[in-house]
Amino acid sequence: EAQVTQNPRYLITVTGKKLTVTCSQNMNHEYMSWYRQDPGLGLRQIYYSMNVEVTDKGDVPEGYKVSRKEKRNFPLILESPSPNQTSLYFCASSLSLWQVHTGELFFGEGSRLTVL
Amino acid sequence: AQSVTQLGSHVSVSEGALVLLRCNYSSSVPPYLFWYVQYPNQGLQLLLKYTSAATLVKGINGFEAEFKKSETSFHLTKPSAHMSDAAEYFCAVIESSNTGKLIFGQGTTLQVKP
Repeated sequence: EAQVTQNPRYLITVTGKKLTVTCSQNMNHEYMSWYRQDPGLGLRQIYYSMNVEVTDKGDVPEGYKVSRKEKRNFPLILESPSPNQTSLYFCASSLSLWQVHTGELFFGEGSRLTVL
Repeated sequence: AQSVTQLGSHVSVSEGALVLLRCNYSSSVPPYLFWYVQYPNQGLQLLLKYTSAATLVKGINGFEAEFKKSETSFHLTKPSAHMSDAAEYFCAVIESSNTGKLIFGQGTTLQVKP
């Protein structure tokens, strides 16, 4: 089954404890992206990746890192989480940048992170 | 820069009634517009898209949206609400052809009353 898989789905952690949210897709997609969803703000892009080893910042990259060492995986790293990073995170992927324009962007089920 | 505004964070309708969710956008170029739906504890699913073809776009589950350039609107409608339509709905626009970034509206939660 074609899917975008995120782990963990739920996590409660404490300020400063490094964590990684994994994202994996099995569709051989080149384009991947991370969004965070906050009430009243919709979704905002954190980082995106056009292909392996090519990543760039979105609108809210502060406090986050990403890597794209292989096509299928795009982990989101919080080196020193803070309470303002409490949010619902979504990973998304698409065959290419053009397919994003045609609406073929596949979302994972989300990872709800709470930082105390 | 592109932006999206959804009017009404919560909309409540009775089962069988018309659903109307409002979305206005600003864009300096012909926009790519989308409506996504998010069911509880799930990711976003594409409902429909406008990509400069027909101005009236039909999507899944009986939803449709009309692109009105003069009003910079892309409102989502469904003639008859079903209980299973209860979800959060997001309007979005592609911000840049070079990044694939979607600019989302604030979201509208649709409640369907029996």
